[in-house]
Amino acid sequence: NAGVMQNPRHLVRRRGQEARLRCSPMKGHSHVYWYRQLPEEGLKFMVYLQKENIIDESGMPKERFSAEFPKEGPSILRIQQVVRGDSAAYFCASSPEGQKLNEKLFFGSGTQLSVL
Amino acid sequence: GESVGLHLPTLSVQEGDNSIINCAYSNSASDYFIWYKQESGKGPQFIIDIRSNMDKRQGQRVTVLLNKTVKHLSLQIAATQPGDSAVYFCAVASGGSYIPTFGRGTSLIVHP
Repeated sequence: NAGVMQNPRHLVRRRGQEARLRCSPMKGHSHVYWYRQLPEEGLKFMVYLQKENIIDESGMPKERFSAEFPKEGPSILRIQQVVRGDSAAYFCASSPEGQKLNEKLFFGSGTQLSVL
Repeated sequence: GESVGLHLPTLSVQEGDNSIINCAYSNSASDYFIWYKQESGKGPQFIIDIRSNMDKRQGQRVTVLLNKTVKHLSLQIAATQPGDSAVYFCAVASGGSYIPTFGRGTSLIVHP
């Protein structure tokens, strides 16, 4: 049973370009969370999704950032017109369907976004 | 909202010693607490959790202690090994918000 898969592991973009980060949850998991981690800091919540629904996006910047989790395929975190301040590690986590929502999360290895 | 903080950004110990990593939280309604371990270049990995109806929970070489009176929890690692070197995060959640809030992390360095 593969864990949470994120790709790419490293993504380099120039200012103004778009970044697309992908996350495939663990098999059987239908809850996906995206977190951002800056150097030497903790993980900051961005968005929580279930299949085809955004449940909580209170941690997502209002502009340039969007997320989706379609019925088929991975969850996508999209950052438009990237700026240097977007450089960070972006982690995806998933949790099983049917469990209490405040159960432990299973994290992927992250995507390191570097904006030149 | 919830704020979560660790007392020390870095903890250095000798191999074989016991390690204690501390964490404080602000929301008295918090009822679920988790410790994660993050090795370099990897995502956080679940270590142990505890709910607010407990004061102590033990795993393999790890113990989590929860003091709800002072809103403090700790992670104790017995007989620390070089493989324990990592950044440790506490995360806190409440029934009203199912999304864990993470602290900044403590870097544990184990010297052989």
